[in-house]
Amino acid sequence: DVQLVESGGGLVQPGGSLRLSCVASGLAFNGHWMHWVRQAPGKGLVWLSRINSDGSRTDFADSVKGRFTISRDNTKNTLFLQMNSLGAEDTAVYYCARGPGSGSGSYYVGDYWGQGTLVTVSS
Amino acid sequence: QSALTQPPSASGSPGQSVTISCTGTSSDVGAYNYVSWHQQHPGKAPKLVIYEVSKRPSGVPDRFSGSKSGNTASLTVSGLQAEDEADYYCSSFTGSNNWVFGGGTKLTVL
Repeated sequence: DVQLVESGGGLVQPGGSLRLSCVASGLAFNGHWMHWVRQAPGKGLVWLSRINSDGSRTDFADSVKGRFTISRDNTKNTLFLQMNSLGAEDTAVYYCARGPGSGSGSYYVGDYWGQGTLVTVSS
Repeated sequence: QSALTQPPSASGSPGQSVTISCTGTSSDVGAYNYVSWHQQHPGKAPKLVIYEVSKRPSGVPDRFSGSKSGNTASLTVSGLQAEDEADYYCSSFTGSNNWVFGGGTKLTVL
């Protein structure tokens, strides 16, 4: 089965931290850009961050720059999102998505998406 | 980075065609041919239906087509079918090495 499976979501207090994981199986992970995208309840998609295939290049949306860190472990086909200083505005379903292969010359956010993990920031 | 502008809703009858617009700026949609469209059914993950303005991933019906003119991209769904009813989101690469999504359009098949 081709899948991306996110985990690590849950209830966290304002100001707290959370680390999300995304495990890839049945599809190429190494060699591909990876992205995190979130969706607040009833709202639209918001791009958060991306990382290149070897982890040497990362980019972030202004809304999370300095608070979120993206990383990957290619030996375990796993993508991570470390989220710090969380606020109510960070409450959302967080999706990981596979980007194009590095060097492919293609540009898109996700040809494969996980089902998402819900993060709720509340006291 | 401001979200791209999409109409909140669109509709069409089965068999008809409908076009959804996505307006950005000269720093995103107008600057790059890197506009994508995603389809999202309720409670489901998004699915890529168009990338790089007009390319279709394998398995996406040719009823889905994309185009761009200046700062506005468009998604056309021809021969509407009931299963096309979903939310559609455009996205674009930006000059800040970021990506930005549109606010989404709810497509209703009447």
